Amino acid sequence: DGGITQSPKYLFRKEGQNVTLSCEQNLNHDAMYWYRQDPGQGLRLIYYSQIVNDFQKGDIAEGYSVSREKKESFPLTVTSAQKNPTAFYLCASSVPGSYEQYFGPGTRLTVT
Amino acid sequence: QQQVKQSPQSLIVQKGGISIINCAYENTAFDYFPWYQQFPGKGPALLIAIRPDVSEKKEGRFTISFNKSAKQFSLHIMDSQPGDSATYFCAASWDEVRAQKLVFGQGTRLTINP
Repeated sequence: DGGITQSPKYLFRKEGQNVTLSCEQNLNHDAMYWYRQDPGQGLRLIYYSQIVNDFQKGDIAEGYSVSREKKESFPLTVTSAQKNPTAFYLCASSVPGSYEQYFGPGTRLTVT
Repeated sequence: QQQVKQSPQSLIVQKGGISIINCAYENTAFDYFPWYQQFPGKGPALLIAIRPDVSEKKEGRFTISFNKSAKQFSLHIMDSQPGDSATYFCAASWDEVRAQKLVFGQGTRLTINP
């Protein structure tokens, strides 16, 4: 089955700890994206990457970091600098030149 | 200028009725307008999309109406069913160099009463 996997589904961390969210895709898509979803605010773009070893900041990149060492993988690190890290995080991928983005099932992060 | 404003925030429709969700935008550079459907605890999935050179697109019970001059577009769900109960997001995209970025509306939680 082709698709995007995100793990874990639920993640709990203490304030002040960095945490890394996993995103893997086997769709052979070049482009990958990270979004944050909060109630009543839609989806907001954190980072995106069009090719391996290259990525760009989105609208709310502060307090987050990413890497893109492999085409299939685009992990997101939520650092202790992120002031309100509790949210639902969604990873997506697409073929460059196509507007259609395919989303993973998401990871719900709770920081207390 | 990059915002997409969506209304209503929540909507309750009787089974068999028509559900209508509206979106408005400002940036005339947007050239692709998709609607995504999201069930609780899941990622959004593309439902239907339209380009600005077309005023209407229909796929089954789902129709997008697009008004370029008013910079508005809407989703109509005909014969709404309880299985349509979900959160719907409109979005808009433009083509930057090396990127196709989506801007999402705030979402509409749709409930279809049986």
